[in-house]
Amino acid sequence: NAGVTQTPKFQVLKTGQSMTLQCAQDMNHNSMYWYRQDPGMGLRLIYYSASEGTTDKGEVPNGYNVSRLNKREFSLRLESAAPSQTSVYFCASIRGLAGIQETQYFGPGTRLLVL
Amino acid sequence: GESVGLHLPTLSVQEGDNSIINCAYSNSASDYFIWYKQESGKGPQFIIDIRSNMDKRQGQRVTVLLNKTVKHLSLQIAATQPGDSAVYFCAENPPRRSSYKLIFGSGTRLLVRP
Repeated sequence: NAGVTQTPKFQVLKTGQSMTLQCAQDMNHNSMYWYRQDPGMGLRLIYYSASEGTTDKGEVPNGYNVSRLNKREFSLRLESAAPSQTSVYFCASIRGLAGIQETQYFGPGTRLLVL
Repeated sequence: GESVGLHLPTLSVQEGDNSIINCAYSNSASDYFIWYKQESGKGPQFIIDIRSNMDKRQGQRVTVLLNKTVKHLSLQIAATQPGDSAVYFCAENPPRRSSYKLIFGSGTRLLVRP
């Protein structure tokens, strides 16, 4: 049981390049999330997927797109990277059962540098 | 907007002492709170949670206190160890009709002096 995994661990992009961050969980969770974390700031929600087949915008969705490929996988795409997107990106998941509050489980993060 | 904030950005404690990390939340309707620990280069890890119908919850060496009157949350770590050095985040879950989402504070760095 690997929990939440993310690839790649680290990536350097030039401005304007595109890339996809991958996230997978093996806990049979329904809901998945993408956050970014900037120095001195907390985690900010980019997009989330409450269940397979649904996605919704979070606090900072501009410049990103997501795909909930199946129940296990939730990818984050940068179509045209900008230096302002330099950050550490975390994926998280949760069972997401109605009426049940519980913690989110986080992946190890992807460190992205946009030059 | 809604926010979760912390009083101290950095806390330095002597090994063996107790640590107290504080957090203020702004949404009085929030009904679930979580503390996370984040070590350098890693993702946040769950430490302990508390629901709004409780004012105290204890785990192994950690205690979370919730004061709903002043919208304050604290994490107490007993007999702090070098391995406790990390950034600690509190998070709140405001009630929403749709999916379960958390709002995170900016974090407090805990430094443990040998």
